[in-house]
Amino acid sequence: GEDVEQSLFLSVREGDSSVINCTYTDSSSTYLYWYKQEPGAGLQLLTYIFSNMDMKQDQRLTVLLNKKDKHLSLRIADTQTGDSAIYFCAESAGNMLTFGGGTRLMVKP
Amino acid sequence: NAGVTQTPKFRVLKTGQSMTLLCAQDMNHEYMYWYRQDPGMGLRLIHYSVGEGTTAKGEVPDGYNVSRLKKQNFLLGLESAAPSQTSVYFCASSLTNGELFFGEGSRLTVL
Repeated sequence: GEDVEQSLFLSVREGDSSVINCTYTDSSSTYLYWYKQEPGAGLQLLTYIFSNMDMKQDQRLTVLLNKKDKHLSLRIADTQTGDSAIYFCAESAGNMLTFGGGTRLMVKP
Repeated sequence: NAGVTQTPKFRVLKTGQSMTLLCAQDMNHEYMYWYRQDPGMGLRLIHYSVGEGTTAKGEVPDGYNVSRLKKQNFLLGLESAAPSQTSVYFCASSLTNGELFFGEGSRLTVL
């Protein structure tokens, strides 16, 4: 199967920017996604980017896509304590999404 | 609006017992999925369905069976539970294979 890889953990101070990175393997993926999982809950879609785009901005979120390196990143500006969660990147492959292992973001006051 | 509902939310089984997890969605979605989530391994797809009466294997289907007799329901069955199936199970649905809507999860422990 396809491998989607993320670092396990990121810690930032409140007000700083957070950058969560992801590498994927399927160059034919049409869309790439970022999901957020809060404690005790299911995943919720945060944002997504079409594969022919380099960047997408949505309020405090910026997604960067480097297709050549198969690298996806999520930048959260002015990170708040409410942003503490696990963040998953995912790539689409046929009828399925393949998820990375998730990055746990901890925001310190 | 209920979205995706999973029952039960918690269950403890003994090795060899059987059980069924029920997923119900009220969004008229065609696609439904069952994932398991284990620490450090993200979500792994067990089985999925692209419409009523259809099912397909995902990445880790062994030891599980599924049925999609009605469009709104997707059942996940464990015929003979094993400790390796201790996990948190998530059901999801989508209109296509784009945005997935997840349930809150079902925590299963197999002793």
